[in-house]
Amino acid sequence: SSELTQDPAVSVALGQTVRITCQGDSLRSWYVSWYQQKPGQAPVLVIYGKTNRPSGIPDRFSGSSSGNTASLTITGAQAEDEADYYCNSRDSSGNQLVVFGGGTKLTVL
Amino acid sequence: EVQLVESGGGLVQPGGSLRLSCAASGFTLSSYWMHWVRQVPGKGLVWVSLMSSDGRTTTYADSVEGRFTISRDNAKNTLYLQMNSLRVEDTAVYYCGRDYGYDFAIDIWGQGTMVIVSS
Repeated sequence: SSELTQDPAVSVALGQTVRITCQGDSLRSWYVSWYQQKPGQAPVLVIYGKTNRPSGIPDRFSGSSSGNTASLTITGAQAEDEADYYCNSRDSSGNQLVVFGGGTKLTVL
Repeated sequence: EVQLVESGGGLVQPGGSLRLSCAASGFTLSSYWMHWVRQVPGKGLVWVSLMSSDGRTTTYADSVEGRFTISRDNAKNTLYLQMNSLRVEDTAVYYCGRDYGYDFAIDIWGQGTMVIVSS
């Protein structure tokens, strides 16, 4: 199975813009999704299909992708955005397998 | 309200078995692909298994292949994960999730159920 690689931790000043990245061969072929997880809570889908936001997700969250790298951008980070963020996608093998990135801990300063 | 509720977690000895349940409400389980994902407290999300909407396709992570079985009861609108030959490293919170398409985006998650494998 393939892997998705994320930076373990990223920080951003309140109100500033931060980009969280996810790298992997499978991203050359398949859509990426992003999840936010706060302590003690289940993950929440924030981006799907590379760039789409589910209803209820603030528009400060956006997604992009190029080559083997996908990015989640938070424009004007808020204190409540402090959380763990995970990417996931289909495995690059072509089988019906799923991969998650290792997660990025976002700290809002 | 669209909701998933897991149950069945608990403490089990190494080598033992456990069956997790995931009750769906607000939607018909058999219309969606479904997933199990686990998370060791303080660690990352790890995909475990999926079942297609028609039930014909089931796949597993290498770490659980041959030991875990995903299944579904359409009448009860419930997804299951039968876990056999449990190991200490299977200790985790187990989440079920509804597939949204787009290469396995998961749009609805349950609250999770804790499985502890220990002697």
